[in-house]
Amino acid sequence: ETGVTQSPTHLIKTRGQQVTLRCSSQSGHNTVSWYQQALGQGPQFIFQYYREEENGRGNFPPRFSGLQFPNYSSELNVNALELDDSALYLCASSFGASPGELFFGEGSRLTVL
Amino acid sequence: DAKTTQPNSMESNEEEPVHLPCNHSTISGTDYIHWYRQLPSQGPEYVIHGLTSNVNNRMASLAIAEDRKSSTLILHRATLRDAAVYYCILRDPGGSQGNLIFGKGTKLSVKP
Repeated sequence: ETGVTQSPTHLIKTRGQQVTLRCSSQSGHNTVSWYQQALGQGPQFIFQYYREEENGRGNFPPRFSGLQFPNYSSELNVNALELDDSALYLCASSFGASPGELFFGEGSRLTVL
Repeated sequence: DAKTTQPNSMESNEEEPVHLPCNHSTISGTDYIHWYRQLPSQGPEYVIHGLTSNVNNRMASLAIAEDRKSSTLILHRATLRDAAVYYCILRDPGGSQGNLIFGKGTKLSVKP
C-alpha cells in the first residue's frame, strides 16, 4: 500500500511568482485536503476535494486554488506569492464521508523570498 | 467550531506512562474527539478517536470524561519515538471531512 506522497519536498520562490504543489493520495482514497503550517503553529485547513470537486474551504484567499484528477491525485496552486506564504504545505487523503482517519504526507516546504 | 485547550508542553521519562489532557467544554453532542501527533519534520499522524466511550488501539488509549467536556490521551509506556506535538481536535461528522481545526497542541518531550 502506497502512502501519501508530495512533491517537491522543498522549493524557493520569490514574491509575485506562482507555485504548484503536487500530492498523490493513498491507494483507495477519494478525498484530498490541503493544509498550511507556519513555523511553530498547527496546520490550517485550506480546502478539500472530493471526487474532483472542491467541497470545503478554509479562510484562504482565491489565489489559493486546487485541482483533483480522476486518479484522485491533487494539486495546490498559489498565485502572486507573498512572504507570509512561506510555510509547510501538507496534503492529507481519506475515504468517504465518515469522521475517520486522515493520512498525511510529509509536506512541501515553501520559502518565499 | 468547538475549541480545545491543551497544555503547551509536557515532559515524561522513557518507559513511564504519559497522560495528555485536553479540555473541550463547548463540545457538541455529535463532535468526535480526535488525536493526531506530529513528529519532527513529518506530517501529522492519526493516533486515536472516540465519541463517548473509552477507546484503545495499538498506539494509545483515549479516556473520555462522562460529561465529554474533557479527555485524556494515554501513552502506556513512552518511548523516545513518542516525542512529538500532540493535537486534540473536535470533529463534526456533518462538516467537511478534511477540515480538522488544529490548535498549537502539546509538545511532549521524552527523557531517556
